[in-house]
Amino acid sequence: SQELEQSPQSLIVQEGKNLTINCTSSKTLYGLYWYKQKYGEGLIFLMMLQKGGEEKSHEKITAKLDEKKQQSSLHITASQPSHAGIYLCGADPKAGTASKLTFGTGTRLQVTL
Amino acid sequence: DTGVSQNPRHKITKRGQNVTFRCDPISEHNRLYWYRQTLGQGPEFLTYFQNEAQLEKSRLLSDRFSAERPKGSFSTLEIQRTEQGDSAMYLCASSLPRAGNTIYFGEGSWLTVV
Repeated sequence: SQELEQSPQSLIVQEGKNLTINCTSSKTLYGLYWYKQKYGEGLIFLMMLQKGGEEKSHEKITAKLDEKKQQSSLHITASQPSHAGIYLCGADPKAGTASKLTFGTGTRLQVTL
Repeated sequence: DTGVSQNPRHKITKRGQNVTFRCDPISEHNRLYWYRQTLGQGPEFLTYFQNEAQLEKSRLLSDRFSAERPKGSFSTLEIQRTEQGDSAMYLCASSLPRAGNTIYFGEGSWLTVV
């Protein structure tokens, strides 16, 4: 079965600093989803990447997919307190299915003033 | 309707009791998923439906768990004879069936078994 490892597990950054979260898969990545979660709440969709080399941005968040390395990264520029939360990556196990996702254990981000 | 709706949001129950959670997906989405999440972990897949057909069940879904989607719209997840290990957040999600479609999650239903 596919496993996703996220690094770092937790991160504390000062407001205004940049940061990167990585998600590495044990198997080929066919579709990679990034979600954000506040404690005790549901998952908020951020971005989905499908093709190797694909890069997407939304506001100050950029995600990239490196198919060869079976890895995705999430980069936040000029972090703000509103970016605090748990970031989760989820992967599609098969090409062309969108059936179920396997998730990493999450990266906990704190942004200090 | 702007999102996936789950209720109740919180449920505290005594061990041995049955509980049921309801999920209303985004209206045009014919795929519906159930996940379970415990503290400090990512969500774990339980089962999913396409319309009313249950297409896959995880081995995590013991015989005490049953999920239904009778008319292909809302879904229920029932847990019989609850155990303390069932305490978790149960998340519902929905999507269109094609690869590349966004999977949207609800706010989750917290279960505490005492």
